[in-house]
Amino acid sequence: GAVVSQHPSWVICKSGTSVKIECRSLDFQATTMFWYRQFPKQSLMLMATSNEGSKATYEQGVEKDKFLINHASLTLSTLTVTSAHPEDSSFYICSARREGTNTEAFFGQGTRLTVV
Amino acid sequence: SQELEQSPQSLIVQEGKNLTINCTSSKTLYGLYWYKQKYGEGLIFLMMLQKGGEEKSHEKITAKLDEKKQQSSLHITASQPSHAGIYLCGAHKGGNQFYFGTGTSLTVIP
Repeated sequence: GAVVSQHPSWVICKSGTSVKIECRSLDFQATTMFWYRQFPKQSLMLMATSNEGSKATYEQGVEKDKFLINHASLTLSTLTVTSAHPEDSSFYICSARREGTNTEAFFGQGTRLTVV
Repeated sequence: SQELEQSPQSLIVQEGKNLTINCTSSKTLYGLYWYKQKYGEGLIFLMMLQKGGEEKSHEKITAKLDEKKQQSSLHITASQPSHAGIYLCGAHKGGNQFYFGTGTSLTVIP
């Protein structure tokens, strides 16, 4: 099956710093990738849709200046949490989907971010 | 926004008991996925349903998509502690976006 690799799997950073999370599709090209956020005991909330070569589409309530998304190639999307604060501590997970309709989405392993 | 409602929100069962989790959409579903997860870990794909009336099984887990394709149920037979976790349904909306249901937290007491 298709593989999506996410890095790092966990990160601890100081408040006020920025953190970059990478999402790579290893054996297929993905013009679209998705970023999700999850708090403990809650479901995964779609944050934004990352489009290769164009601006990301953010869900309502997600700050685009806070969560910078770059999709510079067909296999890589990055999420940068800028000026991180403790409330940004969460589990972030990306997904990518093969081109075509109704195809399975493949998920990265997730990144657990802790801001201290 | 969460347009897939799951019920119950949480469930505690004794080992060996059967249980059912429901996922309801206000719109017709064109492909409904079930995943299992533990917070802070990746998703485990369970199964995908596309056709109305379709039913699939994986080990002791069975999922169905109703004829109108607006509700799916996940049934676990003879639950075990290894079944514990968060169960998530998911579906595509409109274009490419993939949304998850509200989630069901399952605890199995030995």
